[in-house]
Amino acid sequence: KNQVEQSPQSLIILEGKNCTLQCNYTVSPFSNLRWYKQDTGRGPVSLTIMTFSENTKSNGRYTATLDADTKQSSLHITASQLSDSASYICVVITWEGGKLIFGQGTELSVKP
Amino acid sequence: DTAVSQTPKYLVTQMGNDKSIKCEQNLGHDTMYWYKQDSKKFLKIMFSYNNKELIINETVPNRFSPKSPDKAHLNLHINSLELGDSAVYFCASSQPRLGTSGTISSYNEQFFGPGTRLTVL
Repeated sequence: KNQVEQSPQSLIILEGKNCTLQCNYTVSPFSNLRWYKQDTGRGPVSLTIMTFSENTKSNGRYTATLDADTKQSSLHITASQLSDSASYICVVITWEGGKLIFGQGTELSVKP
Repeated sequence: DTAVSQTPKYLVTQMGNDKSIKCEQNLGHDTMYWYKQDSKKFLKIMFSYNNKELIINETVPNRFSPKSPDKAHLNLHINSLELGDSAVYFCASSQPRLGTSGTISSYNEQFFGPGTRLTVL
């Protein structure tokens, strides 16, 4: 069964600190993996898109890694800001019709 | 200048009523989607239309009927609303890209609307 699991479910950190969010998946056949940021009351916005051959990709203070062998991905946030408070969703896309399989998200709260 | 817009943003209604949610995109994309996000925050695809044609129809009750008058609009009509229909509904659009073999690439990025929070009392 195609599944995407994220950990932790929620995380509270102080402003300026770093954090890492985890994503494990059992999706096959794999096409690409995305991390989305969803602010409260808004739709998800894409942060990174990684294909099978990419190990790491950065977008400003966000760095995503992908290990296609172990089927794991992580999203590292450097020097967190209050505006980073949001839900971060890992999404894996299959080759079969480009179907998106969503994780349940990690709720990040950055405190001053 | 909103790329994908939905109306209304909030919808509160009684069980048994019929309601519609509208979605419009000004990105010129060919494909549009409807997703449902439940209380546990999981997003699940409901429907996908490409150039006004239905291409994905997940196991959704037939009380839900999407309608695409043109490729910039995909509306969702829900009949006989039930308590379990309470959720946030997201519209999205994308422009599929051709892969190297000429097939539709799965790489296409989806742009989401702001969501419609439906509450059924």
